[in-house]
Amino acid sequence: EAQVTQNPRYLITVTGKKLTVTCSQNMNHEYMSWYRQDPGLGLRQIYYSMNVEVTDKGDVPEGYKVSRKEKRNFPLILESPSPNQTSLYFCASSLAGTTIYEQYFGPGTRLTVT
Amino acid sequence: GQQVMQIPQYQHVQEGEDFTTYCNSSTTLSNIQWYKQRPGGHPVFLIQLVKSGEVKKQKRLTFQFGEAKKNSSLHITATQTTDVGTYFCVPGAGSYQLTFGKGTKLSVIP
Repeated sequence: EAQVTQNPRYLITVTGKKLTVTCSQNMNHEYMSWYRQDPGLGLRQIYYSMNVEVTDKGDVPEGYKVSRKEKRNFPLILESPSPNQTSLYFCASSLAGTTIYEQYFGPGTRLTVT
Repeated sequence: GQQVMQIPQYQHVQEGEDFTTYCNSSTTLSNIQWYKQRPGGHPVFLIQLVKSGEVKKQKRLTFQFGEAKKNSSLHITATQTTDVGTYFCVPGAGSYQLTFGKGTKLSVIP
């Protein structure tokens, strides 16, 4: 079954404690992306990746890091989480050419930073 | 990413009424995508429009891309409770950086 998986689904952590949210897709998609969703602000793109070792900033990259060492995986790293990073995070993947095609989203990770 | 204005922000309708959400850009778009997010769920792709003046239908949903490729609409005929959710547009402008519209949250009163 074609899918995007994220782990963990829920996470409560404390300020400053490094964490990683994993994202994996089994569709051989070139494009992967991370979004955060906050009430009233919709989905905002954090980082995206066009392919292995190719990443770029989205609209809200501050406080986040990503890596794309393998095509299927695109982890999101928060090296020193702060309460303003409490949010619902979605990973997505898609085929890409001259444009981005249909994005497939993971189920989401709800992060709380206290 | 490309910025768009999506209106309205909220819409409450009686079941059976029609619903329309609009997505407006100040610049010409190369394409536009629409997604639906059910409460507690993740966004799900509905459609991608590419051509000027394009109209596509999916059962009770009708999607339009403006002639100038600066606006788009999603119209639902005879809403049902299964239509509840937030509808997002995502403009494409030749960039791989994507910006979702803020969405229109649809409530359907049975």
